[in-house]
Amino acid sequence: DAGVTQSPTHLIKTRGQQVTLRCSPKSGHDTVSWYQQALGQGPQFIFQYYEEEERQRGNFPDRFSGHQFPNYSSELNVNALLLGDSALYLCASSLVSGGEKLFFGSGTQLSVL
Amino acid sequence: AQSVTQLGSHVSVSEGALVLLRCNYSSSVPPYLFWYVQYPNQGLQLLLKYTSAATLVKGINGFEAEFKKSETSFHLTKPSAHMSDAAEYFCAVSGIKAAGNKLTFGGGTRVLVKP
Repeated sequence: DAGVTQSPTHLIKTRGQQVTLRCSPKSGHDTVSWYQQALGQGPQFIFQYYEEEERQRGNFPDRFSGHQFPNYSSELNVNALLLGDSALYLCASSLVSGGEKLFFGSGTQLSVL
Repeated sequence: AQSVTQLGSHVSVSEGALVLLRCNYSSSVPPYLFWYVQYPNQGLQLLLKYTSAATLVKGINGFEAEFKKSETSFHLTKPSAHMSDAAEYFCAVSGIKAAGNKLTFGGGTRVLVKP
């Protein structure tokens, strides 16, 4: 049983560009959350998707957007990249019906130059 | 609103010694509390969780944590450190009715284990 998978593992972009990160949840999970982990810090909640809709959102600008597909996979899009967007982006999946336990992927390391 | 404070960004212990990682939380609602471990170049793995049942929670790899409401603390301990415990540890909080809900993490504590 595959866990949470994220792609790509590493990505290098330049300021002003746009990026799309992808996540496939653990089999059977219906909810996907995204977190940003800057170097030396704890993860920060970006947003959560369930039934293809954004359920909750953290304190991130509108440059950060997402999508969830019918198969529960998800994308995180970041527009107009800033140097400060450089971070490890973690995807976590869970069950909306009783999933206080999150399963995390290994993350996508984004470097903005 | 919720927040987590982890005291000490780095902890160094000798192999076989007690590991103690401190976590204090603030929550406007009854909390769920978690400890996660992160190994280099990996995601987060759940060590243990408190969800309003027993206040002493046992987790994987010999770790345990005690929920103390009066102190708003959820410290993580392991009686005897092993070299494989070298990693970064994160304490996190969510609301008690927050099934699959967002977690608020502390800044992390990096553990170094000396032989």
